[in-house]
Amino acid sequence: AQRVTQPEKLLSVFKGAPVELKCNYSYSGSPELFWYVQYSRQRLQLLLRHISRESIKGFTADLNKGETSFHLKKPFAQEEDSAMYYCALRGTNAGKSTFGDGTTLTVKP
Amino acid sequence: GAGVSQSPRYKVAKRGQDVALRCDPISGHVSLFWYQQALGQGPEFLTYFQNEAQLDKSGLPSDRFFAERPEGSVSTLKIQRTQQEDSAVYLCASSLDQAGRWEFFGPGTRLTVL
Repeated sequence: AQRVTQPEKLLSVFKGAPVELKCNYSYSGSPELFWYVQYSRQRLQLLLRHISRESIKGFTADLNKGETSFHLKKPFAQEEDSAMYYCALRGTNAGKSTFGDGTTLTVKP
Repeated sequence: GAGVSQSPRYKVAKRGQDVALRCDPISGHVSLFWYQQALGQGPEFLTYFQNEAQLDKSGLPSDRFFAERPEGSVSTLKIQRTQQEDSAVYLCASSLDQAGRWEFFGPGTRLTVL
């Protein structure tokens, strides 16, 4: 079974501080991991994928298979980063994604 | 097209009514997904199409839920005899590739069953 856990419902940091949104997963095979973001009154959108090993809007995420984690990090948070963030997993069954329940990030000025 | 569109954006139904939710994917996108998102939770997978073929419907919660994509473009999610627990936002997403690894989401349809 696929499972994604985001332990923090709410996360608040000050502008310029580092931020880490936690994501842990459970999957017996080799998963693909994703982070999605939903800004206020906007639709859900893909932020980054682990296979791309890219940095988007200053965010990075490393897949740690030993700890089964895929935490999202940014060294210096900006107010415009305030949003809902979802971690998701896709297994070998192409198509089906399992989402966590999301973390609401608030970046205070 | 500007992106994935869904209609209606809001739907209020009385318990027991049938509803039909429409998704217009981005033109040329092969894969199409439906998700159900309850309040305070993440999206939950319902079903997945590759062109007109429904490859996975394991997430449909009961036989009251039915989805189709007859011509490999527009898709309709139908819910028969709606129940209060069906109240949720229904999200549609489409992807250009067959595996659906870069999804574009629609704005969702908020269904409220009274």
